[in-house]
Amino acid sequence: DIVMTQSPDSLAVSLGERATINCKSSHSTLYNSNNKNSLAWYQQKPGQPPKLLIYWASTRESGVPDRFSGSGSGSDFTLTINSLQAEDVAVYYCQQYYSVPITFGQGTRLEIK
Amino acid sequence: QVQLQQSGPGLVKPSQTLSLTCAISGDSVSSNSAAWNWIRQSPSRGLEWLGRTYYRSKWYNDYAVSVKSRITINPDTSKNQFSLQLNSVTPEDTAVYYCASGWGMRAWGKGTTVTVSS
Repeated sequence: DIVMTQSPDSLAVSLGERATINCKSSHSTLYNSNNKNSLAWYQQKPGQPPKLLIYWASTRESGVPDRFSGSGSGSDFTLTINSLQAEDVAVYYCQQYYSVPITFGQGTRLEIK
Repeated sequence: QVQLQQSGPGLVKPSQTLSLTCAISGDSVSSNSAAWNWIRQSPSRGLEWLGRTYYRSKWYNDYAVSVKSRITINPDTSKNQFSLQLNSVTPEDTAVYYCASGWGMRAWGKGTTVTVSS
């Protein structure tokens, strides 16, 4: 199984500042057929299912604000939230879909400082 | 835009079978480009992928090893839905269960809180 490890477990950032969440996979997620990394990021608010933010490591899902961006390749990835807004308070997860079983990180809780 | 509507009981007795259904709108369960997943979430296990079904000229299933001996995911083309059956449940199967579509999963059901208790 590919193990996904996020850091930090929790993060407090001031409004308008930048939040950075890291995700490391125990195996490369590079999909050879399209040379893209099979890595997604989700946002989850209380009582709601996860919401897809980013897929193929850096492609923003339709309707997601452009302050959210994904980067990285191979086994190291980053979710960056620029100009943090109050509505960004949530738990964020990375997920690999390179191989089964599909696996998720443990989550990073983002709060306002 | 794909929408998923979950249904099924929220309380299951130990040793019995957990059964949930996910109705699809905006896509076909038989689509050659889709995949249909079941995922659960609990404080102890976090987000745990359970398995999926998908159609590529024939039906395929993948299951997590942790539940492989107890799980069945079936498509129902007549109703455009798919289902989850988890046999011989224990209190450790208590969780919020979600259905979701795709690999980067852009559509999710709202979740069903399932409690395993007598």
